[in-house]
Amino acid sequence: TQLLEQSPQFLSIQEGENLTVYCNSSSVFSSLQWYRQEPGEGPVLLVTVVTGGEVKKLKRLTFQFGDARKDSSLHITAAQPGDTGLYLCAGAKWNTDKLIFGTGTRLQVFP
Amino acid sequence: GAVVSQHPSRVICKSGTSVKIECRSLDFQATTMFWYRQFPKQSLMLMATSNEGSKATYEQGVEKDKFLINHASLTLSTLTVTSAHPEDSSFYICSARGLAHYNEQFFGPGTRLTVL
Repeated sequence: TQLLEQSPQFLSIQEGENLTVYCNSSSVFSSLQWYRQEPGEGPVLLVTVVTGGEVKKLKRLTFQFGDARKDSSLHITAAQPGDTGLYLCAGAKWNTDKLIFGTGTRLQVFP
Repeated sequence: GAVVSQHPSRVICKSGTSVKIECRSLDFQATTMFWYRQFPKQSLMLMATSNEGSKATYEQGVEKDKFLINHASLTLSTLTVTSAHPEDSSFYICSARGLAHYNEQFFGPGTRLTVL
């Protein structure tokens, strides 16, 4: 089974702090998505990165796809309580419809 | 755009009964739909992939006779948990993807199944 390992598994921080979540694999992906999931709800797509080395910004969130397309990172600046949730990366391969989901990072931001 | 609904959001049933969960794409045609299961505090586990008008492809270890999937139209897929048992209790989530969505999947809000 191909795995996407996320680190850290859990993160508990104060409002205003910065953080980075990592998503690593030994496999190469055609694209990679980041989702955020709140308790009792389905994941919500945040961003898709396609090109190796690509950087995308979504307000306080910065996403980067590794040059070799095997890894990605999510950086949040000045975290807010509304950022609390489960962050999931998911990689796509060229020859399949399926997404391979990461192990997840549970973020809690305290006011 | 890209809204997916699921019904019911929550169901409690007795052991031995069957439960049907519906997944609908509301504003796009879903060429492919996916069914996932999620255990508490864990990531998503893909159960099966279905394309409209064809049989679903199940992941290894998922019993196709227990988890019946029907994808009868481009906007509707159903998952039926047959003869449910307490170990089937879980959070079931569907996702859908249209032709214009590259590899992105759009998720429904999930269904919490509790089998007594």
